[in-house]
Amino acid sequence: AIVLNQSPSSIVASQGEKVTITCRASSSISSNYLHWYQQKPGAFPKLVIYSTSYRASGIPSRFSGSGSGTSYSFTISRVEAEDVATYYCQQGSSNPLTFGSGTKLEIK
Amino acid sequence: EIQLQESGPGLVKPSQSLSLTCSVTGYTITSGYDWSWIRKFPGNKMEWMGYISNSGSTNYNPSLKIRISITRDTSKNQFFLQLNSVTTEDTATYYCARSNPGYWYFDFWGPGTMVTVSS
Repeated sequence: AIVLNQSPSSIVASQGEKVTITCRASSSISSNYLHWYQQKPGAFPKLVIYSTSYRASGIPSRFSGSGSGTSYSFTISRVEAEDVATYYCQQGSSNPLTFGSGTKLEIK
Repeated sequence: EIQLQESGPGLVKPSQSLSLTCSVTGYTITSGYDWSWIRKFPGNKMEWMGYISNSGSTNYNPSLKIRISITRDTSKNQFFLQLNSVTTEDTATYYCARSNPGYWYFDFWGPGTMVTVSS
């Protein structure tokens, strides 16, 4: 199974700050198969970025993604209070589909 | 609008079977997407359990392969999860989700249902 190492495990940021989350895969993944989710407290996960860099429907432009091979990143350019959530990367390249361990974002 | 809704018992005894239903509205499960079960354990770990395709074939996480079954009722636009011989380690929030069969992301999710395994 492809293991996704996500870091950091938690972030405390100020509103307006830029935050970046990294997802490193144990094997190379095509960029088509790396995706990011946002899970707010008490809610289901929501697709934010698919295929490394494509924003899902209705997702604000402050969210972006990049990467290739085994190293991927997810960025919020200017954090807002509503972005408080846990963020997960996920790979669809090989069976079993796997998720990163999550990054919890809190606001100062 | 596509909506998914999980239903089933919130408490299951160890060694018994866990059975959940996902009811889908706004999209026919025999159309061009696949349908997955995913769970989130206490402590935030997420695990993809398996899917049933729009044609009815299945694919399971090898870690669960001997215990899991995913089936469907196309007349009701529902699909089902059965997990046998559960232990306390199967305590989790269970989600059903629509899977993109090309790039394998999950674009629509149910709200989730918490299942506790306890005697």
